Amino acid sequence: AQSVTQLGSHVSVSEGALVLLRCNYSSSVPPYLFWYVQYPNQGLQLLLKYTSAATLVKGINGFEAEFKKSETSFHLTKPSAHMSDAAEYFCAVSGPFSGGYNKLIFGAGTRLAVHP
Amino acid sequence: EAEVAQSPRYKITEKSQAVAFWCDPISGHATLYWYRQILGQGPELLVQFQDESVVDDSQLPKDRFSAERLKGVDSTLKIQPAELGDSAMYLCASSLEGTGDTQYFGPGTRLTVL
Repeated sequence: AQSVTQLGSHVSVSEGALVLLRCNYSSSVPPYLFWYVQYPNQGLQLLLKYTSAATLVKGINGFEAEFKKSETSFHLTKPSAHMSDAAEYFCAVSGPFSGGYNKLIFGAGTRLAVHP
Repeated sequence: EAEVAQSPRYKITEKSQAVAFWCDPISGHATLYWYRQILGQGPELLVQFQDESVVDDSQLPKDRFSAERLKGVDSTLKIQPAELGDSAMYLCASSLEGTGDTQYFGPGTRLTVL
């Protein structure tokens, strides 16, 4: 079965420090991979998307992620954290799973805190 | 920029009552999704429409939940009767048809069942 694992439910960094949020997936078919961000009491906003065109994907707000097939990973990084980056981040995989196409399967999320 | 609209944003109800949520997808998006997000967890798909047809409702508790998209545009999700365990964020998303298409999410409806 397809699944997404996000290591670390809470990550805390100092402002200006590197942000690294980990995501590993399992999929029986070549996946599409996504990172979404969610601010309190809001919907999900797309940060970036992997579609096999390039293994290093650049997204909005300075975030990027690298697809590593051998490690089944899609970790999210940002060189320098900003206070406004504090939010919940979700990794997700989609594909023709379980009879419904384009179904998104989410990880449990990682809450990022940024300290001054 | 086009957005997915949802209403209401917040709903408080008592158990055994009926509730309904509405979603208007981005114009031209054939596929519409309803997700439930329990506090502290990732969203889970409840039902997926392709135009007016349901293509995946395997996780929809059909004894109390129903969803429709009669004209293939906007959609309504209903719960009757509501239970305490239904307290969650209900998210609607839409996409163009096709595997791998980006799903765009609305702001969600926060349901509290007392």
